[in-house]
Amino acid sequence: GAGVSQSPRYKVAKRGQDVALRCDPISGHVSLFWYQQALGQGPEFLTYFQNEAQLDKSGLPSDRFFAERPEGSVSTLKIQRTQQEDSAVYLCASSSITTDSLHFGNGTRLTVT
Amino acid sequence: RKEVEQDPGPFNVPEGATVAFNCTYSNSASQSFFWYRQDCRKEPKLLMSVYSSGNEDGRFTAQLNRASQYISLLIRDSKLSDSATYLCVVNLNQAGTALIFGKGTTLSVSS
Repeated sequence: GAGVSQSPRYKVAKRGQDVALRCDPISGHVSLFWYQQALGQGPEFLTYFQNEAQLDKSGLPSDRFFAERPEGSVSTLKIQRTQQEDSAVYLCASSSITTDSLHFGNGTRLTVT
Repeated sequence: RKEVEQDPGPFNVPEGATVAFNCTYSNSASQSFFWYRQDCRKEPKLLMSVYSSGNEDGRFTAQLNRASQYISLLIRDSKLSDSATYLCVVNLNQAGTALIFGKGTTLSVSS
């Protein structure tokens, strides 16, 4: 595709539900990042993949958060037993090499009620 | 102390004004620096990289002062379309995998 695609665009979950957020990076991009952006804040790093390998998951806030990229292209961020503090925009970004600029998707806005 | 700090603003300026944003970072080993622009309810987009010697792109000038650990962005002849949030971004490693974003500075340009 022309850019990074994320789905769904909006997600409302009841507290305790599990959610799965999808990211389709730009074709051929090796690096894929997930960020969390709360209202009025800058994006905060969650995790990084190089192809299918998850090289850094230091930003995942708890073990309820899990990300995968099994074939080195599409990635899924899963949040188990969602809590209200998980409400945020989840941004996915990809780049062709790690030092290239990041291309962000338009995000998934998660609201936990 | 936050790794990257910015004045959140908002900066309200008339069209044609010159406006400057500053950003400070705490990690002296930071490798590279960027300004990203984020429009309301949109994704961040790279505005420009920031080089030690300073660099200019049209009406935008970025400066880096490693000794004082601050980065600046100057916008000349502001346009209505410059209204956005400007994110200061610092990369902590050479691999480019440790990007730290500031909270952003909001600019509103009015006619």
